[in-house]
Amino acid sequence: ELKVEQNPLFLSMQEGKNYTIYCNYSTTSDRLYWYRQDPGKSLESLFVLLSNGAVKQEGRLMASLDTKARLSTLHITAAVHDLSATYFCAGVAAGNKLTFGGGTRVLVKP
Amino acid sequence: EPEVTQTPSHQVTQMGQEVILRCVPISNHLYFYWYRQILGQKVEFLVSFYNNEISEKSEIFDDQFSVERPDGSNFTLKIRSTKLEDSAMYFCASTLGLGTEAFFGQGTRLTVV
Repeated sequence: ELKVEQNPLFLSMQEGKNYTIYCNYSTTSDRLYWYRQDPGKSLESLFVLLSNGAVKQEGRLMASLDTKARLSTLHITAAVHDLSATYFCAGVAAGNKLTFGGGTRVLVKP
Repeated sequence: EPEVTQTPSHQVTQMGQEVILRCVPISNHLYFYWYRQILGQKVEFLVSFYNNEISEKSEIFDDQFSVERPDGSNFTLKIRSTKLEDSAMYFCASTLGLGTEAFFGQGTRLTVV
């Protein structure tokens, strides 16, 4: 059974600095998703990573996938307050069932 | 842009009562899901539904839960006799096919008192 772990669970960021969130998964995952969730809101899809070495970037966020290490990272460049949210990674072992990590709560302080 | 819609956004119910959470998936999508998120915790899979039957369910999805697609547009989650621990945000999602991206609704916050 696929297990997904994220770390850290909480990340206090200073504006302008760079940070990385790590997502490890236990078995083969067909693809890896990153979602953003604002408090009390739904899950906003950020990236889907399909293959080893995949890298995707949108604004200050960049996600990568290493299937051999079973690791995905979400890198935040020059953090800004608007990026404060909880970030989840999720893998798919079979079919379409998503298995989520525990989430990383990000707080960007001025 | 097509979206998944859920109603109600918030439901308060007394323990032991039945609740029905409603979802309208994206119209051409074929696979439907329910997930739940207890406050401050991770999102957990409940059930997937395809071709008018359950294709997979988790251990959480016990006999108190059921799903239905009563017509061509709605997808419902029924909890027969709610418990305090059923309090959570429930998300509906849909996908066009296997291996395609899941789109989530805005969620229904269920509070059992």
